[in-house]
Amino acid sequence: DGGITQSPKYLFRKEGQNVTLSCEQNLNHDAMYWYRQDPGQGLRLIYYSQIVNDFQKGDIAEGYSVSREKKESFPLTVTSAQKNPTAFYLCASSPGQGENTGELFFGEGSRLTVL
Amino acid sequence: QQQVKQSPQSLIVQKGGIPIINCAYENTAFDYFPWYQQFPGKGPALLIAIRPDVSEKKEGRFTISFNKSAKQFSLHIMDSQPGDSATYFCAASITSGSRLTFGEGTQLTVNP
Repeated sequence: DGGITQSPKYLFRKEGQNVTLSCEQNLNHDAMYWYRQDPGQGLRLIYYSQIVNDFQKGDIAEGYSVSREKKESFPLTVTSAQKNPTAFYLCASSPGQGENTGELFFGEGSRLTVL
Repeated sequence: QQQVKQSPQSLIVQKGGIPIINCAYENTAFDYFPWYQQFPGKGPALLIAIRPDVSEKKEGRFTISFNKSAKQFSLHIMDSQPGDSATYFCAASITSGSRLTFGEGTQLTVNP
């Protein structure tokens, strides 16, 4: 079935460690996104990519990094520079510009806890 | 200019009631207004969406009302059911752009 696969679903990290969250899609979508979800704050955009080998910072990019080497993959690294990394992270994709770009298709999320 | 303000933060209704969630935006360039539904531990999923050329859109028990002059839109859930208990997010975007701006979310509880 087509969709967005995020892994791991749960992740625990010690302070000072970098962690990488995986996001893979088989929808053949051009655009991919990473959002962070905290209670009462909605979904905040971390990074997004409209095309392979290109990505842009969202509203809260500090302390995060991404790569887009393949169309189907958009991994997110939470670095030790992120001051408050404990959150629920959501990856999404959309068909991209020139089509009905409004709908985002989300994965099931990765919950990161820093110990 | 990019903000979308959503209210209330939480809402409790009885089965059969009609919860209403409201959103307001500032950027007049927004031309796509979706609502997403999220169940605990899952990613959000598109519920219904509207463009500003219409004032209302219905899909089953879900209705979006849109007021372009007031820059407001709302979600109504008719004959609400316990299975509708979830977090609802409004959002807005510019079709030619590439990113959605989300509201803060409303946690809806429908009691049996």
